[in-house]
Amino acid sequence: QKEVEQDPGPLSVPEGAIVSLNCTYSNSAFQYFMWYRQYSRKGPELLMYTYSSGNKEDGRFTAQVDKSSKYISLFIRDSQPSDSATYLCAMTASGAGSYQLTFGKGTKLSVIP
Amino acid sequence: NAGVMQNPRHLVRRRGQEARLRCSPMKGHSHVYWYRQLPEEGLKFMVYLQKENIIDESGMPKERFSAEFPKEGPSILRIQQVVRGDSAAYFCASSSDRLRDYGYTFGSGTRLTVV
Repeated sequence: QKEVEQDPGPLSVPEGAIVSLNCTYSNSAFQYFMWYRQYSRKGPELLMYTYSSGNKEDGRFTAQVDKSSKYISLFIRDSQPSDSATYLCAMTASGAGSYQLTFGKGTKLSVIP
Repeated sequence: NAGVMQNPRHLVRRRGQEARLRCSPMKGHSHVYWYRQLPEEGLKFMVYLQKENIIDESGMPKERFSAEFPKEGPSILRIQQVVRGDSAAYFCASSSDRLRDYGYTFGSGTRLTVV
């Protein structure tokens, strides 16, 4: 079993739709959770960062963490064509080694005008 | 306010040649991390460096790969005697001490193709 599982998609939605992206993980030591957006041929860009269970909102983006289920989600409201990219979840443990991020494979999202 | 700068953006090497990938961290960042993204795979940690020190190289292949972050100049990831399996995107990231507050900032990567 991989440490982090993420459905690679591709996921195609119409403009304005609500998008739900998810990751599951097996390592209970993971305490810090991130979502990155990666446009084609570009580097990952940090979108959201959270370390507690519950929801964190930033504009059209909401990150949700459920540590008891080892499940994290990213919701995108009112999706736009410019949101078309690959979304990567990443996580790390606390303490020594917390700099070492474990990534999912990424979900490729296309938002159709 | 330049971000993390990586060069070259694209690098083509024949099997057996050496590849040198450079990374200049963001201003004020003293921590550098290298990750590799193989086709259809997620990013994998390779090495963590601070100025003149390798902190953790547990993700580096044991042979042919080395990294440095000298007192002056960019961080260098060196791959000797490249093989086709080394073809990948190599990303450098940097952070200040407060990783937990700000996370990583990644560069645009170097795409290495071994022919």
